[in-house]
Amino acid sequence: SQKIEQNSEALNIQEGKTATLTCNYTNYSPAYLQWYRQDPGRGPVFLLLIRENEKEKRKERLKVTFDTTLKQSLFHITASQPADSATYLCALPDRGSTLGRLYFGRGTQLTVWP
Amino acid sequence: NAGVTQTPKFQVLKTGQSMTLQCAQDMNHEYMSWYRQDPGMGLRLIHYSVGAGITDQGEVPNGYNVSRSTTEDFPLRLLSAAPSQTSVYFCASAPRDKGYTFGSGTRLTVV
Repeated sequence: SQKIEQNSEALNIQEGKTATLTCNYTNYSPAYLQWYRQDPGRGPVFLLLIRENEKEKRKERLKVTFDTTLKQSLFHITASQPADSATYLCALPDRGSTLGRLYFGRGTQLTVWP
Repeated sequence: NAGVTQTPKFQVLKTGQSMTLQCAQDMNHEYMSWYRQDPGMGLRLIHYSVGAGITDQGEVPNGYNVSRSTTEDFPLRLLSAAPSQTSVYFCASAPRDKGYTFGSGTRLTVV
């Protein structure tokens, strides 16, 4: 099975700085990787999907990279705002799986202070 | 579109009782999944489905059953509730090769 590790449980940064969150996996390289945001008491919200043949993907202030050699994905939020404070989760499919069998990391709690 | 609708939002059960958590989506998504979320454990996959009539087990399937008779509905049945099943349960759906849309969750307490 796949082990997913996300960097430190909590990350605190100042408004305007770039937040960088890490997702490492230990075994096989997945066909794609996803990032979600979760606010307290709410369900996760899908942000980005990056495929193994894509090195980088962007959406507004968000940027995701995927390095299959390092078995790592980096998630960047540029010009961070207090409203970006949330828990961010990465998710990977099982080996050879369809999207149906998707596993999540434990998440990194991001706090952006003014 | 209502998205993914879960009912009930809150439930208290006694040990040994059974119940069904309902999940419905109106987006014609192929894939549906059930997760439980516990403090410090993250989201763990219970069961999933890749289409009507097709279901499979996830990481923690024991004590739960599912069925998918229609594209829209994916109920989760607790056969005999145990305190260890106290958790927040999320249902989610996705079209092929896209991200999941999650419901708002069911907070279940088993006493």
